Amino acid sequence: DAKTTQPPSMDCAEGRAANLPCNHSTISGNEYVYWYRQIHSQGPQYIIHGLKNNETNEMASLIITEDRKSSTLILPHATLRDTAVYYCIVSHLPYGGSQGNLIFGKGTKLSVKP
Amino acid sequence: EAGVAQSPRYKIIEKRQSVAFWCNPISGHATLYWYQQILGQGPKLLIQFQNNGVVDDSQLPKDRFSAERLKGVDSTLKIQPAKLEDSAVYLCASSAGGLVANYGYTFGSGTRLTVV
Repeated sequence: DAKTTQPPSMDCAEGRAANLPCNHSTISGNEYVYWYRQIHSQGPQYIIHGLKNNETNEMASLIITEDRKSSTLILPHATLRDTAVYYCIVSHLPYGGSQGNLIFGKGTKLSVKP
Repeated sequence: EAGVAQSPRYKIIEKRQSVAFWCNPISGHATLYWYQQILGQGPKLLIQFQNNGVVDDSQLPKDRFSAERLKGVDSTLKIQPAKLEDSAVYLCASSAGGLVANYGYTFGSGTRLTVV
C-alpha cells in the first residue's frame, strides 16, 4: 500500500501557482519524498525529490515540513501542459535494492484551466 | 541521452493467447523495473532486476507472467495465457541504482495491452 495521502483532484488557473499537498505521516528517517507526474498516454516523469530541506529545480519547488510528515509540490506558474496526475511517493530509492522501489498511489489529478 | 525504449506501443489479443513486451533501458542503468498500470490506478510494480538478477518479484503473478533480462541490458515480459484482467499499460523503467544519489527512475511510454 502507498504510504502517502493525496487529494484525488485539484484545479488551477493558468499562470497561477499550483500547490499540491501530500501527507506522509509514517515516513521514516532515511526515506526520501519523490514527486512524479504522468501526462496522458505517457510514462511517469520525475519532477523533484528531497529528504529534509526544501528543494527547487527548473520544474518545481518542494516544501517539506519540519516534522517531515507532509510536503507540498509547487508549480510556480502553471500552464495547460502541466495538466497531469501527480504522484507523491516516499522511498529509500537512493539506497537501491528492493527498499528502493517506488510504490505509486492514485495521485492527484491536476487540471490547469485557461 | 536516449530514453527507455518499449515495443510494441499497442497490442490487442484474445484471452488465453500469449504476448510479449520488450524494453531497452537507458545505457548503463543497472536496475530495470516492470510496472502494470490499470486504467484509473497508479502503476504497480511487477518485477525489479539488478543487472540480470531478480531483486523483487513478489507482485508478479508467476502462474502466467514471466520476465527475463538475460544479458543485464534489455528485458522481455511475457504473459501466457492472458486474461481479460490483464488489460493494462505495461511500463518499463530503469535507474542507475546502487548507493548513488540519483533522480529516480526514467520510464518508457509503455505498451497498452487490450485483452478481448
